Amino acid sequence: AQTVTQSQPEMSVQEAETVTLSCTYDTSESNYYLFWYKQPPSRQMILVIRQEAYKQQNATENRFSVNFQKAAKSFSLKISDSQLGDTAMYFCAFMMLDMRFGAGTRLTVKP
Amino acid sequence: EAQVTQNPRYLITVTGKKLTVTCSQNMNHEYMSWYRQDPGLGLRQIYYSMNVEVTDKGDVPEGYKVSRKEKRNFPLILESPSPNQTSLYFCASSLFRDRDYEQYFGPGTRLTVT
Repeated sequence: AQTVTQSQPEMSVQEAETVTLSCTYDTSESNYYLFWYKQPPSRQMILVIRQEAYKQQNATENRFSVNFQKAAKSFSLKISDSQLGDTAMYFCAFMMLDMRFGAGTRLTVKP
Repeated sequence: EAQVTQNPRYLITVTGKKLTVTCSQNMNHEYMSWYRQDPGLGLRQIYYSMNVEVTDKGDVPEGYKVSRKEKRNFPLILESPSPNQTSLYFCASSLFRDRDYEQYFGPGTRLTVT
């Protein structure tokens, strides 16, 4: 079964700085999808960024970008110019037919 | 407005009393699923459905039932709830084709079983 590991339970960053959240996964499959979701205190799950495994190019969405290393089974999220509103839980997720989430990283952006 | 709705949002019940949490989406999505979220464990998938009358077990299906009689609805049924099913539950849906696999989540249902 596929597993997703987020090794950083908590992280903090100063406003306007850059932070990278780590995610590794384990699978023997070659076609799958990867996601980062954000969960603010409201508990709503919000998609941050997605990556298709067949695409070599790393996905980018404004201040958010990923470093997708398929051979290493690594999918890290970089947040540039961190803002106070980025404070949230961040979940890495792996999907084929079913979906697996990591345990999450609690990110705090400090003013 | 495109959305996934869940009801109720909060529920306190007693052990053994059957309950149903409803989930509905208005985006004509093929794929629907249920998750539970527990501290330190992230979200774990309970069941998912690729289409009407097609359901499959996720990571933690024990103690739960689902049905998909209509495309838009995917209720979660707890026949005999137990305290270890106290959790935050999310329903989600996805188009799941045309390279659109993003899951759209409902607002969550906080369930407490005493």
